[in-house]
Amino acid sequence: AQTVTQSQPEMSVQEAETVTLSCTYDTSESDYYLFWYKQPPSRQMILVIRQEAYKQQNATENRFSVNFQKAAKSFSLKISDSQLGDAAMYFCAYRSFGGATNKLIFGTGTLLAVQP
Amino acid sequence: NAGVTQTPKFQVLKTGQSMTLQCAQDMNHNSMYWYRQDPGMGLRLIYYSASEGTTDKGEVPNGYNVSRLNKREFSLRLESAAPSQTSVYFCASSRTLSVAGNTIYFGEGSWLTVV
Repeated sequence: AQTVTQSQPEMSVQEAETVTLSCTYDTSESDYYLFWYKQPPSRQMILVIRQEAYKQQNATENRFSVNFQKAAKSFSLKISDSQLGDAAMYFCAYRSFGGATNKLIFGTGTLLAVQP
Repeated sequence: NAGVTQTPKFQVLKTGQSMTLQCAQDMNHNSMYWYRQDPGMGLRLIYYSASEGTTDKGEVPNGYNVSRLNKREFSLRLESAAPSQTSVYFCASSRTLSVAGNTIYFGEGSWLTVV
């Protein structure tokens, strides 16, 4: 079974600075997808960025980028130029490429605080 | 844009009571999901529906039933609520189960407390 581990329960960053959130996962599959979701105080889950395992290039979405290390099974999220609105719980998630039980497997989350 | 709408947002139940969480999406998505989120844990899949007329168990289905009423609506029922079911419940939807080019959209969550 696949597992996702986020070893940083809480992180803090100064506004305009850069922060990196860590995520590791365990799987025996070769094809899969990885995601970072943001959960602000409103509790709605918002997709931040996704990475296809077969792509070597790291995904980027504006100020958000990932460092995907497939061999190490590591998938970290870098937030550049942090803004107050980035304060939220961030979840790393794994999803199999196919199969009958296509579902997201989430880590336990990292609570990010942004200091003004 | 409404997206995924869940009701109620907050509910307190007594042990043994039953209730239904309602979910509707207006994006013409085929697939819908119910997750629960417990403190210190990530979201876990309860049930999902690949398409209208089908439902399947996820990771933690015990104590729950679901109904895919039509393409828009997917309800979650607790027949006899237990304190262990105190959690935040999220409904989600996606165009299909396939991940390729496909985003899962979540509702805002329903906070359920069982006393």
